[in-house]
Formats: sequence, C-alpha cells, structure tokens
Amino acid sequence: KQEVTQIPAALSVPEGENLVLNCSFTDSAIYNLQWFRQDPGKGLTSLLLIQSSQREQTSGRLNASLDKSSGRSTLYIAASQPGDSATYLCAPLNQAGTALIFGKGTTLSVSS
Amino acid sequence: EAQVTQNPRYLITVTGKKLTVTCSQNMNHEYMSWYRQDPGLGLRQIYYSMNVEVTDKGDVPEGYKVSRKEKRNFPLILESPSPNQTSLYFCASSFSRANTEAFFGQGTRLTVV
Repeated sequence: KQEVTQIPAALSVPEGENLVLNCSFTDSAIYNLQWFRQDPGKGLTSLLLIQSSQREQTSGRLNASLDKSSGRSTLYIAASQPGDSATYLCAPLNQAGTALIFGKGTTLSVSS
Repeated sequence: EAQVTQNPRYLITVTGKKLTVTCSQNMNHEYMSWYRQDPGLGLRQIYYSMNVEVTDKGDVPEGYKVSRKEKRNFPLILESPSPNQTSLYFCASSFSRANTEAFFGQGTRLTVV
C-alpha cells in the first residue's frame, strides 16, 4: 500500500529565502504526482503536475522534480514571500490510477 | 470559470439524520471522487466515479453512498450520520483517471452531534 511522507512537517523562514519541501513515497509505480497548496479553511489548489515520464516541472517561482525510481519528489520555492504561507501537499496518483494518495503536508510560514 | 462547486460549505447535523453534500463540475470531466480530511490522518478517498453510472469504493467508504446519474454531478450521501463522520470533505474531478490534473472543490465542513 502506497505511503507518502513529507518532511519537514513545518517550516518557518524569513521572506526572500529559497526553500525545498520533500516528499517520499513507497511505491514507485505511479501514474503522476501532483503538488497542492491548502490555505486554512479553504480547498486545495493545484500547483504542479508531473507526469511519470517527466523529471521536472516549473511554474513561476515553483519547481518540482520527480525521481520515480527512488520514490522522491521535491518542491523548490524561490524567493519566498509571506503570501506563500500555507500547507503544501504532495500526492502521487496510485498504481490503479484511481486515487491520489496524500502526505500529511508541510506547513510553511514566511515572515516579512 | 472552470470549477468544482460543493454545497453546503458548512453543516451541523444530528446523529442519524440523512444528509446529502452536492458536488458539481463544469469542465466535462469524466472522473470524480470524494475525500475526507482529518487531523493527523490527511486526506483519504471515500468513493470515486470513472463515468456516469460507474462508481467504486475508495479507502474509507463505510457509512457513505454516492451516485453518478449525470456527468457533472456526484453527490455524497450519508444515510445515518454518526459523530465519527465529523470531518472536512472535498470533491475532486479530472478529465480522465490518469495523467491529468485534479481539481478540488472548496470543501464542506461537517459536524455530527
């Protein structure tokens, strides 16, 4: 059964820092992997989708990498801003292609 | 605007009183699913549907029902809610079950007393 771990669980940084959020998963047979952002009391916003055949995907200040064979993905945030404060969730799509399996998330706080 | 819409956003109910949480998407997506989010447990899938009249159980289906009579709608039904179903519920949709981006609704916070 797929298990997803996100490290660290929480992170506090000053504005302007570059940072890396880590995600590991136990089953490398995934269809794709998606990174989401969740703000308190709100829904999930899709940030990046990496297909299983891709190594990397970029959107603005965000860059996500995927190493399927080692069961790892990282989300790189450049020049962090207070507006980046949120919980970030990693979710590979399971082997059957029917469900996203979520980690517990990394809660990021960026201070000005 | 492309979106997944859930209603209601907040609901407080009593044990045993049947309720329905609606979910509608306007993107002509084939694939829809329901998740619940609980502290310390993360998001877990309840049910999913790959197309009209095709539904199947996720990881935590006990106590829930779903239906998919139309492509755009995927309601979640709690026939006899219990306090352990107090949770934050999310509906999601994607064009097909694999290799496409999943979009989530804003969530429904349910409290069963």
